[in-house]
Amino acid sequence: KAGVTQTPRYLIKTRGQQVTLSCSPISGHRSVSWYQQTPGQGLQFLFEYFSETQRNKGNFPGRFSGRQFSNSRSEMNVSTLELGDSALYLCASSLGQVGRNGYGYTFGSGTRLTVV
Amino acid sequence: DAKTTQPNSMESNEEEPVHLPCNHSTISGTDYIHWYRQLPSQGPEYVIHGLTSNVNNRMASLAIAEDRKSSTLILHRATLRDAAVYYCILRDHTGANSKLTFGKGITLSVRP
Repeated sequence: KAGVTQTPRYLIKTRGQQVTLSCSPISGHRSVSWYQQTPGQGLQFLFEYFSETQRNKGNFPGRFSGRQFSNSRSEMNVSTLELGDSALYLCASSLGQVGRNGYGYTFGSGTRLTVV
Repeated sequence: DAKTTQPNSMESNEEEPVHLPCNHSTISGTDYIHWYRQLPSQGPEYVIHGLTSNVNNRMASLAIAEDRKSSTLILHRATLRDAAVYYCILRDHTGANSKLTFGKGITLSVRP
């Protein structure tokens, strides 16, 4: 079956612009999480959605937002981009309800965002 | 969040077993132990998880100490494709806070 699909794979934006990243989870998966990966900070949790509701949020400013649609696809948006937002943004989907039964996550290959 | 402690790096020879340790002395009763690995230029990949009992799957085995304060990921025969960063993560399974908190992980090198 198809894995987690993230689009686009690469993106270059200018400071001050906004960007929207897309994630299509594995069919049947209803939980979608977003992570930011940078060389300095490693992998950091952004937020998690289940059934179109944000269930958990990391420590990122309000410029970072997300949403989930009825088909479980998710988007994340970053407004007023800063140079420090340059990172690999990873999406992960999970079968079970958030936190229940220890389900594992399947990650996509990520979107590489460069802010210039 | 309960923390995990892992060595920064380990080396192994191809086709030999590898034991990757993880300490989690502050683990709570509701925490599952998850292992993920990340190959170069890819997103993390789920390896295995467990709660109290040892677990086996096609990729690896997970040995959990009786007091659950440590665990070991076992790769039975390392291959060059197993060279990656391995993350040991505790995840609260009650739903209160289910995010994955990644540390720096163990960078595993496999020698041919």
